[in-house]
Amino acid sequence: EAQVTQNPRYLITVTGKKLTVTCSQNMNHEYMSWYRQDPGLGLRQIYYSMNVEVTDKGDVPEGYKVSRKEKRNFPLILESPSPNQTSLYFCASSLAGATDTQYFGPGTRLTVL
Amino acid sequence: DQQVKQNSPSLSVQEGRISILNCDYTNSMFDYFLWYKKYPAEGPTFLISISSIKDKNEDGRFTVFLNKSAKHLSLHIVPSQPGDSAVYFCAANPRAQKLVFGQGTRLTINP
Repeated sequence: EAQVTQNPRYLITVTGKKLTVTCSQNMNHEYMSWYRQDPGLGLRQIYYSMNVEVTDKGDVPEGYKVSRKEKRNFPLILESPSPNQTSLYFCASSLAGATDTQYFGPGTRLTVL
Repeated sequence: DQQVKQNSPSLSVQEGRISILNCDYTNSMFDYFLWYKKYPAEGPTFLISISSIKDKNEDGRFTVFLNKSAKHLSLHIVPSQPGDSAVYFCAANPRAQKLVFGQGTRLTINP
């Protein structure tokens, strides 16, 4: 089944404790992206990647890192999480780019205490 | 600064009637627009898109209209069905491979 998977689905952590949210797609997509969803703000793009080793900032990249060492994986790294990073995170992928149909993962709900 | 705005947080429509969801944008350089639909506890799914060279795109019950002079797009759902109850996000492509989303509108279809 074609899908985007994210792990973990739920995470409660404390300020400053490094964490990684994994994202994997099995559709051989070139483009992958991370978004966060917050009430009243909709979805905001954090980082995106057009190909292996090619990443670029979205609108809200501060406090996040990403890597794209393999085509299928695009982990989101929070080196020192803070409470303002409490949010619902979505990973997405598409065949060719941002305007192509993006397939979203089920989301990761992160709480930073 | 919100470049894509959905000013109605919620909308309630009777089953069988037309649902109209609105979206405004600020940048006249935006050249591609998309609508995504989101059910609770799921990721968004693509619904329909439109290029700035068109003013209308239709897919079954869903039609998107683009008014470039007003920097406004709308999504029409006819007829509305209970399964259409969801949060709808409009999105625009400002440049390169970025995507900017609106705040979302929660649509409720009443039987």
